[in-house]
Amino acid sequence: AAGVIQSPRHLIKEKRETATLKCYPIPRHDTVYWYQQGPGQDPQFLISFYEKMQSDKGSIPDRFSAQQFSDYHSELNMSSLELGDSALYFCASSLKGDVLFYGYTFGSGTRLTVV
Amino acid sequence: QKEVEQNSGPLSVPEGAIASLNCTYSDRGSQSFFWYRQYSGKSPELIMFIYSNGDKEDGRFTAQLNKASQYVSLLIRDSQPSDSATYLCAAERNNAGNMLTFGGGTRLMVKP
Repeated sequence: AAGVIQSPRHLIKEKRETATLKCYPIPRHDTVYWYQQGPGQDPQFLISFYEKMQSDKGSIPDRFSAQQFSDYHSELNMSSLELGDSALYFCASSLKGDVLFYGYTFGSGTRLTVV
Repeated sequence: QKEVEQNSGPLSVPEGAIASLNCTYSDRGSQSFFWYRQYSGKSPELIMFIYSNGDKEDGRFTAQLNKASQYVSLLIRDSQPSDSATYLCAAERNNAGNMLTFGGGTRLMVKP
């Protein structure tokens, strides 16, 4: 079965550079979520999109932005990178509107290292 | 106070024993709860979800929910070394439409 696809798997950037992370949700899933997970920490919610519109916003820095495109894939753009941005970035998708909510399916993540 | 609380552990159990992982939540309006397993450096993987009070069994896993006590647990029977991972409890936020709030996770170590 198709899963959530994230690219790239690993990314190394220097301070003050920009990075773009991509996420391709499971086909038919209409909601995408972005999470940031630092070492030894639980996933922190950044932002979500439903039907290409931003649906919720968490602890996303102003330096970050995201969008969902017509094909439902999403991109997280990160500018002026700081050392503290080094983390695993997960994308997850779900199908909204089900009577029962079956939770998220996570992608494999992008490991961002800022040097 | 976090909305979803878990003991960070590590919880150490011998192989073959029952591992009991606990989680409490503060939002009384939360209706559905999820357990994810996360191996180091990997993405969270959904193990079980539960909506109704009581027990729900799936193979070696049993989820328990007590909404009156705002308590969720996960039991792993016949624990195996491959079960060693961090287990994340998540609650669907009330009136937030399919949004999950995660606990800090409990690290489980199963010793051969």
